[in-house]
Amino acid sequence: GAVVSQHPSRVICKSGTSVKIECRSLDFQATTMFWYRQFPKKSLMLMATSNEGSKATYEQGVEKDKFLINHASLTLSTLTVTSAHPEDSSFYICSAMGHYTDTQYFGPGTRLTVL
Amino acid sequence: GQQLNQSPQSMFIQEGEDVSMNCTSSSIFNTWLWYKQDPGEGPVLLIALYKAGELTSNGRLTAQFGITRKDSFLNISASIPSDVGIYFCAGQLMGQGAQKLVFGQGTRLTINP
Repeated sequence: GAVVSQHPSRVICKSGTSVKIECRSLDFQATTMFWYRQFPKKSLMLMATSNEGSKATYEQGVEKDKFLINHASLTLSTLTVTSAHPEDSSFYICSAMGHYTDTQYFGPGTRLTVL
Repeated sequence: GQQLNQSPQSMFIQEGEDVSMNCTSSSIFNTWLWYKQDPGEGPVLLIALYKAGELTSNGRLTAQFGITRKDSFLNISASIPSDVGIYFCAGQLMGQGAQKLVFGQGTRLTINP
């Protein structure tokens, strides 16, 4: 149980385009989902927290207009990187937490490369 | 943002050796977690600790939640090749909404066969 998927696993895009990353909880309802960013050989940095049906809460220094988060259902959250630039290239990881647990279960990550 | 101090940053050991790593913080946490991350993958939960002083095992892994709530260690006994990867500690903050996690910098484990 507690499986979280991400799609796509890898994406390459041109500078200036927007990219959408999906995060799904496959076998539980995720009341809260988290989005992290990880640079090579670095730790995970929390970008934002999203609760189903409400606006995401962004961490200090994260541009909410740049990284659009939608959590429209209890099993799906999306992160859209708008007008992507090479410096947005990174590994993006989501996690999900259900009603009755404080444990975050992580997705497999999405490698974004902006040319 | 806030980070935990995790050490060592990297370890190079022989297969069969025991491994020990730890995390410290200036903040109190109500939960400590240990994750393992393989290259190109998301973190996988190894052990969760919920009470100060708690000592928990998962196979060859043992972790403890420090009495002060500001530190934790992870031990791996009799290491095997599949233990290679990056290990992260994470603390869950008290008094913060939505159970946010703060991660350590990671310990990269390399095993020589």
